[in-house]
Amino acid sequence: DGGITQSPKYLFRKEGQNVTLSCEQNLNHDAMYWYRQDPGQGLRLIYYSQIVNDFQKGDIAEGYSVSREKKESFPLTVTSAQKNPTAFYLCASTDRGRTVYGYTFGSGTRLTVV
Amino acid sequence: GEDVEQSLFLSVREGDSSVINCTYTDSSSTYLYWYKQEPGAGLQLLTYIFSNMDMKQDQRLTVLLNKKDKHLSLRIADTQTGDSAIYFCAETPPGGATNKLIFGTGTLLAVQP
Repeated sequence: DGGITQSPKYLFRKEGQNVTLSCEQNLNHDAMYWYRQDPGQGLRLIYYSQIVNDFQKGDIAEGYSVSREKKESFPLTVTSAQKNPTAFYLCASTDRGRTVYGYTFGSGTRLTVV
Repeated sequence: GEDVEQSLFLSVREGDSSVINCTYTDSSSTYLYWYKQEPGAGLQLLTYIFSNMDMKQDQRLTVLLNKKDKHLSLRIADTQTGDSAIYFCAETPPGGATNKLIFGTGTLLAVQP
């Protein structure tokens, strides 16, 4: 079955560490997105990519980095510059030509700073 | 502006109807969506409505769109405990070469047995 896989489901980070969250899709979607979810704040866009080897900053990109070397993969690195990284992170994808069907989401990664 | 607003919480009894409301600010949005998020999970697309429609019904779900007031609502008939979740509305802004969806803050629906 096609879908988006995020890993790990839970991740613990020490202060000052960089961590990378994985997002893989086998839907042949062009566009991929990373969102951060905090209680009562909905979803905030971190980075997005429309095609391979290209990506743009979203609303809260500071302290994060991404790469898009393959169509299927869009990993997110949470750097030590992100001052408050504890949150639920969601990856999504869509076919650029068929936005009417909305996004397909992964099941999320919960990151906690210890 | 690009703010999409929702009330934070709604509590209903099992069997009653639920109405979740959303106010969006961009009257040129082409599609509007409702997503459901169960605890600890990603978002699932429930339904969507094109901006030239006033209403869409899909089994227990009814979506109403009032473009004049920029108001979107989701009615769930015969609400069940399995409907307990966070519901997000979202809109596709116009000129969307980026196809970015803008999400509301989410409404937590609690269904009491």
